[in-house]
Amino acid sequence: KAGVTQTPRYLIKTRGQQVTLSCSPISGHRSVSWYQQTPGQGLQFLFEYFSETQRNKGNFPGRFSGRQFSNSRSEMNVSTLELGDSALYLCASSLISGNNEQFFGPGTRLTVL
Amino acid sequence: AQSVTQPDIHITVSEGASLELRCNYSYGATPYLFWYVQSPGQGLQLLLKYFSGDTLVQGIKGFEAEFKRSQSSFNLRKPSVHWSDAAEYFCAVGPAVDSGGGADGLTFGKGTHLIIQP
Repeated sequence: KAGVTQTPRYLIKTRGQQVTLSCSPISGHRSVSWYQQTPGQGLQFLFEYFSETQRNKGNFPGRFSGRQFSNSRSEMNVSTLELGDSALYLCASSLISGNNEQFFGPGTRLTVL
Repeated sequence: AQSVTQPDIHITVSEGASLELRCNYSYGATPYLFWYVQSPGQGLQLLLKYFSGDTLVQGIKGFEAEFKRSQSSFNLRKPSVHWSDAAEYFCAVGPAVDSGGGADGLTFGKGTHLIIQP
């Protein structure tokens, strides 16, 4: 069974731009969560989607948003990029919401210049 | 609010020696507990998990962890480390059941960087 895939793997943007990251969960998994990983803050929960609905959101500004499609694939969007948004963005999938055995993708490394 | 503390930022162990990585958590209800490993430039790989039952859980790559409710700890152990175990290790806690109000996601510790000496 294929694992969680994330595209693109690397991305360079400039301040003020917006970016969209994509995540395809493991086949049959309906929950997708997003995390931001930085050296200073570590791993922080962004949001979770289940059945195309956002279930919960971490403590991030409204510039961070996401969505989930009917095939469970998910995208996250960051608008008006700031230097501090440079991070590794990790997507994780699980069978159902609340079942917190999450399987992580390789991440998208975003660099904001 | 839940939190996870990994007191050791770096640990250096000789190859073949035993390993114990510490993890303490704070959680208002029965937690699910996890250990993940991350190699440079990679995502997180699940080593093991504790949901309920036997407090000593076995994972992949020869790792085990023991849940001690009285100490709010979930320490990771391995009897003999290999050079390939060098990586970043993360302890995480999550809600035990779907609260119905939405999943809160996993709360991670800051990680322990494991260095293996030849």
